[in-house]
Amino acid sequence: EAGVAQSPRYKIIEKRQSVAFWCNPISGHATLYWYQQILGQGPKLLIQFQNNGVVDDSQLPKDRFSAERLKGVDSTLKIQPAKLEDSAVYLCASSGAQANNEKLFFGSGTQLSVL
Amino acid sequence: SQKIEQNSEALNIQEGKTATLTCNYTNYSPAYLQWYRQDPGRGPVFLLLIRENEKEKRKERLKVTFDTTLKQSLFHITASQPADSATYLCAPSGYSSASKIIFGSGTRLSIRP
Repeated sequence: EAGVAQSPRYKIIEKRQSVAFWCNPISGHATLYWYQQILGQGPKLLIQFQNNGVVDDSQLPKDRFSAERLKGVDSTLKIQPAKLEDSAVYLCASSGAQANNEKLFFGSGTQLSVL
Repeated sequence: SQKIEQNSEALNIQEGKTATLTCNYTNYSPAYLQWYRQDPGRGPVFLLLIRENEKEKRKERLKVTFDTTLKQSLFHITASQPADSATYLCAPSGYSSASKIIFGSGTRLSIRP
């Protein structure tokens, strides 16, 4: 079974530039999550999709971050413009459940450095 | 607001001993609690899930307890091995998909030979 695919693996940009991350979840998984993980901290939920609808985006900085999940499969997360404090690993995860009693499958993440 | 606390200090123990990691939560009554392992440069990997009506769950050398009165979960690794060295994350969640899966900050475990 193929896992969660993310790209790129690494990205280095200057502040005020824009960047986009891509995620392909496990086939058939209805729920998709984007987490931000700053060094030394646990993952922080940015946005949760159920199929192509947003379940929770309360911690997404909407003035600069946007995410979409067209057709309920792949997803992209965009930052425009980036700030220094956006330097982190961006993790995508998926699960097959509609309730929160199923495990999450994570990708390897995209490590973003904002200079 | 909901708060999850894990041992902030790294845990260093001798191979063969039992490692015990703590997860405390406040302002929260989760229905489930999951534990994940994360290696450097990788995403977290699911280990175990325990429900609020389960006191204990086991899987091979792993054991998790869930005390809803103390608002605490303990994660044990028996007969620890150097390969168990990693960061361990706890993640409580509620019943519905509207309840977020929130992660603690994790505890870094090092097993020395």
